[in-house]
Amino acid sequence: KAGVTQTPRYLIKTRGQQVTLSCSPISGHRSVSWYQQTPGQGLQFLFEYFSETQRNKGNFPGRFSGRQFSNSRSEMNVSTLELGDSALYLCASSLVGQGALGTGELFFGEGSRLTVL
Amino acid sequence: GDSVTQMEGPVTLSEEAFLTINCTYTATGYPSLFWYVQYPGEGLQLLLKATKADDKGSNKGFEATYRKETTSFHLEKGSVQVSDSAVYFCALINTGTASKLTFGTGTRLQVTL
Repeated sequence: KAGVTQTPRYLIKTRGQQVTLSCSPISGHRSVSWYQQTPGQGLQFLFEYFSETQRNKGNFPGRFSGRQFSNSRSEMNVSTLELGDSALYLCASSLVGQGALGTGELFFGEGSRLTVL
Repeated sequence: GDSVTQMEGPVTLSEEAFLTINCTYTATGYPSLFWYVQYPGEGLQLLLKATKADDKGSNKGFEATYRKETTSFHLEKGSVQVSDSAVYFCALINTGTASKLTFGTGTRLQVTL
């Protein structure tokens, strides 16, 4: 079956702009998580959505937001971009999520590489 | 809070050499432990996992044993191949608290002929 699909794969923005990234999970998966990957900080958890509800949130400023649609597809938005937002943004899906019912097994997309100039 | 510490990379080995990548963790309760691998240009994929103390996870010749007494989950492989070149991430999930995967910083492995 098709894996996790993220679009766009690469994008370049300038400071102050906003960006929206999209993630289509594996069919049947109801949980979508987002991570930011940078050389200095590694993988940092942004948030998790399950059945259109944000279930968990990492320590990122309010400029980072997300949502999930009824078909489980998810988007994340970053407003007022800063140079430090340059990163690979990874989306991961799972059947039941990362929480108490979850197994910790996430299926990752290839990521969206954002460069902020 | 929960945290995972991995050995610094990059690790460079010749083909057929023995591999160990150290991983230690800090967490309350009884976390589940994982190794994920990221091949060049790809997303992460689960390599193996262990859900309780003394469990051994294994896959594709890789092994790791959940050692609660030393809070460790070291990754080992007896004979690496060039195709094993990738970045390896140790991770934990502590469903009693944060309910999210916490990753280490990753260790890059380069295997040469």
